[in-house]
Amino acid sequence: DAMVIQNPRYQVTQFGKPVTLSCSQTLNHNVMYWYQQKSSQAPKLLFHYYDKDFNNEADTPDNFQSRRPNTSFCFLDIRSPGLGDAAMYLCATSRHRGEGVDQPQHFGDGTRLSIL
Amino acid sequence: QKEVEQDPGPLSVPEGAIVSLNCTYSNSAFQYFMWYRQYSRKGPELLMYTYSSGNKEDGRFTAQVDKSSKYISLFIRDSQPSDSATYLCAMRKSSGDKLTFGTGTRLAVRP
Repeated sequence: DAMVIQNPRYQVTQFGKPVTLSCSQTLNHNVMYWYQQKSSQAPKLLFHYYDKDFNNEADTPDNFQSRRPNTSFCFLDIRSPGLGDAAMYLCATSRHRGEGVDQPQHFGDGTRLSIL
Repeated sequence: QKEVEQDPGPLSVPEGAIVSLNCTYSNSAFQYFMWYRQYSRKGPELLMYTYSSGNKEDGRFTAQVDKSSKYISLFIRDSQPSDSATYLCAMRKSSGDKLTFGTGTRLAVRP
């Protein structure tokens, strides 16, 4: 089945130690998103790629970076994780080809990040 | 004031009940409306996707959008214990725009 796959499902890292989360998709969607979701809160958009174009949200800390080497893969890099970065990180994809030609976002199952 | 307001619950109902979940919003520019279901430790799963006002039905689920009142609803008929999850409403202004989520309503369906 076509889907959005996130690895790993659970990640533990030490305070200040860089960590990379990965997302892959078989939907051939051109837009990929990264969200941060803390307990009992709504997902918060960090950034997204529209094709190869990177779009950062204004309030996303510089500590968070992203790479999209090809259509299928996208990575979230946290350069120096702090205790406040412990959360579920969700990857989502959608297709957008101009007004009226799009699909809603489809989410992966997330990576739960813990900081020691 | 948040752009999208959603009662966090928890909402507890007996099996077989009709469940009504609601969101209100303040920005009249929203045109696309979604409901996602999120089980514990899983990602949000799209349930319903509607454009502009009106009703949409899919099995036991009905989504309603009332743009004049800036109010959207999700009805679940014949609720089952497997419906126990957090339900997130989401909306956006235009095709390809970013989503604005509600905080989610936690639903528990008792056997």
